[in-house]
Amino acid sequence: DTEVTQTPKHLVMGMTNKKSLKCEQHMGHRAMYWYKQKAKKPPELMFVYSYEKLSINESVPSRFSPECPNSSLLNLHLHALQPEDSALYLCASSHGTGGGYDAFFGPGTRLTVL
Amino acid sequence: GENVEQHPSTLSVQEGDSAVIKCTYSDSASNYFPWYKQELGKGPQLIIDIRSNVGEKKDQRIAVTLNKTAKHFSLHITETQPEDSAVYFCAAEAGYALNFGKGTSLLVTP
Repeated sequence: DTEVTQTPKHLVMGMTNKKSLKCEQHMGHRAMYWYKQKAKKPPELMFVYSYEKLSINESVPSRFSPECPNSSLLNLHLHALQPEDSALYLCASSHGTGGGYDAFFGPGTRLTVL
Repeated sequence: GENVEQHPSTLSVQEGDSAVIKCTYSDSASNYFPWYKQELGKGPQLIIDIRSNVGEKKDQRIAVTLNKTAKHFSLHITETQPEDSAVYFCAAEAGYALNFGKGTSLLVTP
């Protein structure tokens, strides 16, 4: 199984809503990532979890709150987002961080903030 | 952080022709260079990678080359097919994660 799954596929939310994005992998990977991708741009790193601990936060605003409940799951909690936060949110996983581990991406959640 | 430049930004080829995408990087400590293919509405898919202990790697119609001295690496697709049409991203290892190039939109016309 080399699949990373993400739910929901699409999400529309208002600026006062609270929602969560979910990501799951069963490859035994110990590193998980959140990336944000705007149209016609490359993915931009948001957060890195290594062995269920947050190891990198790329200066992401606090309205994005990651959570790693266990080694297979990664959540991204959203609150008070802005319209400019509309994007494709990608989850990825790899065996480890650094040293060139292959990273596998999920299909993404297309988020629209009204 | 690591700077990855990718060219061209768009590439149109006829079915059966070859396509070449080139990337350069700035951090000489990088040792791992993956390539991703992203189709419309999907997440990036890892298609091939190369590590600094080799200069070339092939997988059927896809090949990557790496020149560590010049700090550049390239993706070569031979006998292109319409289903190769997608956006291709090169990337370079950067500490905990990857730095991506800006992408190349490849169109293969029948």
